[in-house]
Amino acid sequence: EAGVAQSPRYKIIEKRQSVAFWCNPISGHATLYWYQQILGQGPKLLIQFQNNGVVDDSQLPKDRFSAERLKGVDSTLKIQPAKLEDSAVYLCASSITNREMLFFGPGTRLTVL
Amino acid sequence: AQSVAQPEDQVNVAEGNPLTVKCTYSVSGNPYLFWYVQYPNRGLQFLLKYITGDNLVKGSYGFEAEFNKSQTSFHLKKPSALVSDSALYFCAVVAPGTYKYIFGTGTRLKVLA
Repeated sequence: EAGVAQSPRYKIIEKRQSVAFWCNPISGHATLYWYQQILGQGPKLLIQFQNNGVVDDSQLPKDRFSAERLKGVDSTLKIQPAKLEDSAVYLCASSITNREMLFFGPGTRLTVL
Repeated sequence: AQSVAQPEDQVNVAEGNPLTVKCTYSVSGNPYLFWYVQYPNRGLQFLLKYITGDNLVKGSYGFEAEFNKSQTSFHLKKPSALVSDSALYFCAVVAPGTYKYIFGTGTRLKVLA
Protein backbone atom coordinates (compact mmCIF):
# COMPACT_ATOMS: atom_id res chain seq x y z
CA GLU A 1 0.00 0.00 0.00
CA ALA A 2 1.44 3.37 -0.99
CA GLY A 3 1.84 5.88 1.81
CA VAL A 4 0.93 9.56 2.03
CA ALA A 5 2.86 11.51 -0.59
CA GLN A 6 3.97 15.11 -0.15
CA SER A 7 5.90 17.49 -2.32
CA PRO A 8 8.15 19.30 -2.32
CA ARG A 9 10.25 17.91 0.55
CA TYR A 10 12.11 21.16 1.06
CA LYS A 11 11.40 24.76 0.12
CA ILE A 12 13.30 27.96 0.76
CA ILE A 13 11.62 31.28 0.00
CA GLU A 14 11.91 34.89 0.99
CA LYS A 15 9.32 36.61 3.13
CA ARG A 16 6.34 37.96 1.26
CA GLN A 17 6.70 35.30 -1.43
CA SER A 18 4.06 32.64 -1.96
CA VAL A 19 4.42 28.86 -1.72
CA ALA A 20 2.24 25.82 -2.27
CA PHE A 21 2.44 22.31 -0.87
CA TRP A 22 0.80 19.23 -2.30
CA CYS A 23 -0.46 16.10 -0.58
CA ASN A 24 -1.83 12.85 -1.94
CA PRO A 25 -3.40 10.72 0.81
CA ILE A 26 -3.69 6.97 0.96
CA SER A 27 -6.34 5.74 -1.44
CA GLY A 28 -9.75 5.44 0.22
CA HIS A 29 -8.93 7.65 3.19
CA ALA A 30 -11.78 10.08 3.68
CA THR A 31 -10.11 12.33 6.24
CA LEU A 32 -7.13 14.53 5.41
CA TYR A 33 -5.22 16.80 7.79
CA TRP A 34 -2.64 19.53 7.42
CA TYR A 35 -0.43 20.17 10.45
CA GLN A 36 2.26 22.74 11.11
CA GLN A 37 5.17 21.53 13.26
CA ILE A 38 7.59 24.17 14.44
CA LEU A 39 10.93 22.84 15.64
CA GLY A 40 10.65 21.46 19.16
CA GLN A 41 6.86 21.65 19.27
CA GLY A 42 3.96 19.30 18.69
CA PRO A 43 1.99 19.28 15.45
CA LYS A 44 -0.60 22.05 15.29
CA LEU A 45 -3.74 21.30 13.32
CA LEU A 46 -4.26 23.80 10.52
CA ILE A 47 -7.17 22.27 8.66
CA GLN A 48 -9.08 19.01 8.53
CA PHE A 49 -11.09 17.75 5.55
CA GLN A 50 -13.72 15.05 5.48
CA ASN A 51 -13.87 14.05 1.80
CA ASN A 52 -13.87 17.47 0.10
CA GLY A 53 -15.55 19.37 2.93
CA VAL A 54 -13.80 21.34 5.68
CA VAL A 55 -14.41 19.91 9.18
CA ASP A 56 -12.20 22.32 11.09
CA ASP A 57 -10.04 25.28 10.07
CA SER A 58 -10.22 27.26 13.28
CA GLN A 59 -6.44 27.54 13.58
CA LEU A 60 -5.74 28.33 9.94
CA PRO A 61 -4.50 31.93 9.50
CA LYS A 62 -6.98 32.67 6.77
CA ASP A 63 -5.50 36.01 5.85
CA ARG A 64 -2.48 34.21 4.39
CA PHE A 65 -3.14 30.47 4.36
CA SER A 66 -5.59 28.62 2.14
CA ALA A 67 -6.24 24.97 1.45
CA GLU A 68 -8.42 22.94 -0.82
CA ARG A 69 -9.21 19.32 -1.46
CA LEU A 70 -10.91 19.17 -4.80
CA LYS A 71 -12.69 15.92 -5.63
CA GLY A 72 -11.98 14.65 -2.14
CA VAL A 73 -8.60 13.19 -2.99
CA ASP A 74 -5.38 15.19 -3.08
CA SER A 75 -4.97 18.54 -1.38
CA THR A 76 -3.01 21.76 -1.73
CA LEU A 77 -1.97 24.14 1.06
CA LYS A 78 -0.90 27.64 0.06
CA ILE A 79 0.77 30.46 1.93
CA GLN A 80 0.60 33.96 0.47
CA PRO A 81 2.44 36.04 1.55
CA ALA A 82 4.85 34.08 3.73
CA LYS A 83 6.24 35.42 6.99
CA LEU A 84 9.39 34.47 8.87
CA GLU A 85 7.32 32.69 11.54
CA ASP A 86 5.90 30.33 8.92
CA SER A 87 9.20 28.46 8.90
CA ALA A 88 8.20 24.96 9.95
CA VAL A 89 7.55 21.44 8.72
CA TYR A 90 4.15 21.06 7.12
CA LEU A 91 2.75 17.60 7.65
CA CYS A 92 -0.07 15.99 5.75
CA ALA A 93 -1.87 13.02 7.25
CA SER A 94 -4.83 10.88 6.28
CA SER A 95 -7.06 8.34 7.95
CA ILE A 96 -9.98 6.13 7.06
CA THR A 97 -12.15 7.97 9.60
CA ASN A 98 -11.52 10.67 12.16
CA ARG A 99 -11.29 8.13 14.99
CA GLU A 100 -8.60 5.98 13.48
CA MET A 101 -4.85 6.14 13.36
CA LEU A 102 -3.26 8.77 11.20
CA PHE A 103 -0.81 7.98 8.43
CA PHE A 104 1.67 10.82 8.01
CA GLY A 105 3.57 11.89 4.97
CA PRO A 106 7.28 12.79 5.16
CA GLY A 107 6.49 16.50 5.47
CA THR A 108 7.66 19.62 3.69
CA ARG A 109 10.32 21.65 5.46
CA LEU A 110 9.74 25.34 4.73
CA THR A 111 12.37 27.96 5.43
CA VAL A 112 11.36 31.61 5.09
CA LEU A 113 14.29 34.03 4.87
CA ALA B 1 -12.19 22.80 25.34
CA GLN B 2 -10.34 19.74 24.17
CA SER B 3 -6.68 19.57 25.19
CA VAL B 4 -3.84 17.18 25.92
CA ALA B 5 -0.78 17.75 28.10
CA GLN B 6 2.61 16.10 28.27
CA PRO B 7 4.18 17.50 31.43
CA GLU B 8 7.75 16.34 30.76
CA ASP B 9 9.82 17.82 27.95
CA GLN B 10 12.41 15.08 28.32
CA VAL B 11 12.65 11.72 30.02
CA ASN B 12 15.97 9.98 30.56
CA VAL B 13 16.14 6.30 31.39
CA ALA B 14 18.88 3.68 31.45
CA GLU B 15 18.73 0.85 28.94
CA GLY B 16 16.94 -2.15 30.40
CA ASN B 17 14.98 -0.09 32.89
CA PRO B 18 11.23 0.46 32.62
CA LEU B 19 10.07 3.71 31.10
CA THR B 20 6.99 5.87 31.47
CA VAL B 21 6.01 8.87 29.36
CA LYS B 22 3.12 10.81 30.84
CA CYS B 23 0.00 12.18 29.15
CA THR B 24 -3.13 13.77 30.57
CA TYR B 25 -6.16 14.98 28.66
CA SER B 26 -9.20 17.16 29.00
CA VAL B 27 -12.28 16.38 26.88
CA SER B 28 -15.99 16.02 27.27
CA GLY B 29 -17.21 12.48 27.02
CA ASN B 30 -15.15 9.41 26.36
CA PRO B 31 -12.04 10.22 24.36
CA TYR B 32 -10.13 8.36 21.71
CA LEU B 33 -6.46 8.39 22.73
CA PHE B 34 -3.33 7.73 20.71
CA TRP B 35 0.44 7.62 20.98
CA TYR B 36 2.78 8.44 18.08
CA VAL B 37 6.56 8.34 17.80
CA GLN B 38 8.85 10.51 15.70
CA TYR B 39 12.37 9.26 15.06
CA PRO B 40 15.03 11.76 13.91
CA ASN B 41 14.47 12.88 10.32
CA ARG B 42 11.48 10.60 9.96
CA GLY B 43 7.74 11.10 9.93
CA LEU B 44 5.32 10.48 12.74
CA GLN B 45 4.36 6.84 13.23
CA PHE B 46 1.40 5.34 15.07
CA LEU B 47 2.20 3.31 18.20
CA LEU B 48 -1.12 2.45 19.81
CA LYS B 49 -4.65 3.63 20.51
CA TYR B 50 -7.41 3.39 23.09
CA ILE B 51 -11.01 3.55 21.94
CA THR B 52 -12.87 1.44 24.45
CA GLY B 53 -12.50 -1.76 26.42
CA ASP B 54 -9.48 -2.96 28.39
CA ASN B 55 -7.64 -0.09 30.06
CA LEU B 56 -4.24 -1.57 29.18
CA VAL B 57 -3.50 -1.25 25.49
CA LYS B 58 -0.59 -2.96 23.75
CA GLY B 59 1.07 -1.49 20.70
CA SER B 60 4.09 -1.62 18.46
CA TYR B 61 7.70 -2.23 19.53
CA GLY B 62 6.71 -3.57 22.97
CA PHE B 63 5.02 -0.37 24.11
CA GLU B 64 1.80 -0.30 26.09
CA ALA B 65 -0.37 2.41 27.58
CA GLU B 66 -2.74 2.53 30.50
CA PHE B 67 -5.99 4.46 30.31
CA ASN B 68 -7.09 5.88 33.67
CA LYS B 69 -10.45 7.62 33.44
CA SER B 70 -10.47 8.98 37.00
CA GLN B 71 -7.08 10.61 36.54
CA THR B 72 -7.73 11.48 32.87
CA SER B 73 -4.37 10.00 31.97
CA PHE B 74 -2.98 7.79 29.24
CA HIS B 75 0.65 7.09 30.16
CA LEU B 76 2.95 5.25 27.76
CA LYS B 77 5.04 2.46 29.23
CA LYS B 78 7.61 -0.14 28.30
CA PRO B 79 9.01 -2.77 30.69
CA SER B 80 12.58 -2.62 29.36
CA ALA B 81 13.89 0.35 27.40
CA LEU B 82 16.20 0.07 24.39
CA VAL B 83 18.62 2.69 23.11
CA SER B 84 16.72 2.53 19.83
CA ASP B 85 13.58 3.76 21.64
CA SER B 86 15.18 7.21 21.86
CA ALA B 87 12.80 9.50 19.98
CA LEU B 88 10.10 12.13 20.33
CA TYR B 89 6.78 10.81 21.60
CA PHE B 90 3.43 12.50 21.11
CA CYS B 91 0.12 11.85 22.80
CA ALA B 92 -3.06 12.74 20.88
CA VAL B 93 -6.75 12.92 21.67
CA VAL B 94 -9.93 12.97 19.63
CA ALA B 95 -13.09 14.02 21.44
CA PRO B 96 -16.28 12.33 20.27
CA GLY B 97 -18.34 14.66 18.16
CA THR B 98 -15.61 17.23 17.50
CA TYR B 99 -13.58 15.16 15.03
CA LYS B 100 -10.52 17.24 15.96
CA TYR B 101 -7.28 15.32 16.32
CA ILE B 102 -5.17 17.27 18.84
CA PHE B 103 -1.53 16.53 19.68
CA GLY B 104 0.44 17.22 22.83
CA THR B 105 3.71 19.13 22.83
CA GLY B 106 5.81 15.99 22.84
CA THR B 107 8.28 14.30 25.20
CA ARG B 108 11.81 13.52 24.16
CA LEU B 109 12.85 10.09 25.41
CA LYS B 110 16.54 9.45 25.79
CA VAL B 111 17.63 5.92 26.62
CA LEU B 112 21.18 5.77 27.91
CA ALA B 113 23.42 2.79 27.25
